[in-house]
Amino acid sequence: DQQVKQNSPSLSVQEGRISILNCDYTNSMFDYFLWYKKYPAEGPTFLISISSIKDKNEDGRFTVFLNKSAKHLSLHIVPSQPGDSAVYFCAAGGGTYKYIFGTGTRLKVLA
Amino acid sequence: EPEVTQTPSHQVTQMGQEVILRCVPISNHLYFYWYRQILGQKVEFLVSFYNNEISEKSEIFDDQFSVERPDGSNFTLKIRSTKLEDSAMYFCASRDRAGLHYGYTFGSGTRLTVV
Repeated sequence: DQQVKQNSPSLSVQEGRISILNCDYTNSMFDYFLWYKKYPAEGPTFLISISSIKDKNEDGRFTVFLNKSAKHLSLHIVPSQPGDSAVYFCAAGGGTYKYIFGTGTRLKVLA
Repeated sequence: EPEVTQTPSHQVTQMGQEVILRCVPISNHLYFYWYRQILGQKVEFLVSFYNNEISEKSEIFDDQFSVERPDGSNFTLKIRSTKLEDSAMYFCASRDRAGLHYGYTFGSGTRLTVV
């Protein structure tokens, strides 16, 4: 089941710069998209979401962009901070509110 | 901030034994979920539960798995006869009818180790 893909398993960024995490999906029926952050030995923590009627949603340092025609979403973190170092999962879902998660991208923000 | 609570945090069990993983969802939430993450792999959907019944389940959730909401607060996942490949982090999650963000709140997980 590869409906949601995060092709970059890891990403390193300097503190203060922009982090861009990418996610692709295959199912055009997905309506809602989420980003979660996960620290070791903890459960995923919700970051930001976007519904398919929008192409951008912003919350503080976090912005999610959705390109429906390309079935692609991205998470931008500006400016990146060392505390942002974690594994980031994108998730996609439809009307059932069951979410399919990607494999995650490990972000390391270098001080 | 309200939390989803999972116990135990770590469970070690012999292959073939039954285990019950426990969760206390957020009190006013109506939808409940179990996900799991095998080490180094993605977070996988197992089952969703609403109105005292399973609303959806994945292929992983076979006859060895069951869920129950025995009272108004607990939500449990039972694995009847554990296999080595059941070793994973198991996450419980819950959401209310119209969540702020359409997503759900996860617990910290139970690490299940089958030996």
